[in-house]
Amino acid sequence: AQSVTQLDSQVPVFEEAPVELRCNYSSSVSVYLFWYVQYPNQGLQLLLKYLSGSTLVKGINGFEAEFNKSQTSFHLRKPSVHISDTAEYFCAVSLQVSTSYGKLTFGQGTILTVHP
Amino acid sequence: EAQVTQNPRYLITVTGKKLTVTCSQNMNHEYMSWYRQDPGLGLRQIYYSMNVEVTDKGDVPEGYKVSRKEKRNFPLILESPSPNQTSLYFCASNPVRGRTDTQYFGPGTRLTVL
Repeated sequence: AQSVTQLDSQVPVFEEAPVELRCNYSSSVSVYLFWYVQYPNQGLQLLLKYLSGSTLVKGINGFEAEFNKSQTSFHLRKPSVHISDTAEYFCAVSLQVSTSYGKLTFGQGTILTVHP
Repeated sequence: EAQVTQNPRYLITVTGKKLTVTCSQNMNHEYMSWYRQDPGLGLRQIYYSMNVEVTDKGDVPEGYKVSRKEKRNFPLILESPSPNQTSLYFCASNPVRGRTDTQYFGPGTRLTVL
């Protein structure tokens, strides 16, 4: 079975500083990889996804993530954060097999708090 | 507009009082599922359905029921809610052919069981 581990439950950072949110996964088959963001009291929004091709994926709001197959990681980065980036971030995977039907397995979430 | 809707958005109830959370999608998707979100645990799949009258358990099905009588609707039923079912619930859908790589999520239902 697949699993996802987000290595930090909380990440505090000052405004305009860079940030990296770490995500490792485990799976016996190839996976698709996703990052979702949840702003306070809101639903889930897709930030970016890796399906195939270039291992560096760019998403919305200036975020990017890099797929590292050898390390089974998919870390999320932003070079300069804003107060408005304060949210909870979820890493997720789905299996690249037809019988998975897109089921997502999520990590535990990382709360990013941006301080002025 | 393509969307997944859930009702109600917020619900406070008491232990043992049966409730239903509705989910509807307008994209003609075959696959629908329910997730619950709990602090420190992320989102976990409760039940899923691959088409009308085809449902199966996800990772945390205990205490829940579902039905899929129409393609667009996938209600979540709690026949005897308990406090440990206090959670944030999300419905999701996606097609089973072609672009299965992105799930469409509803806005969420925050349930409190007293």
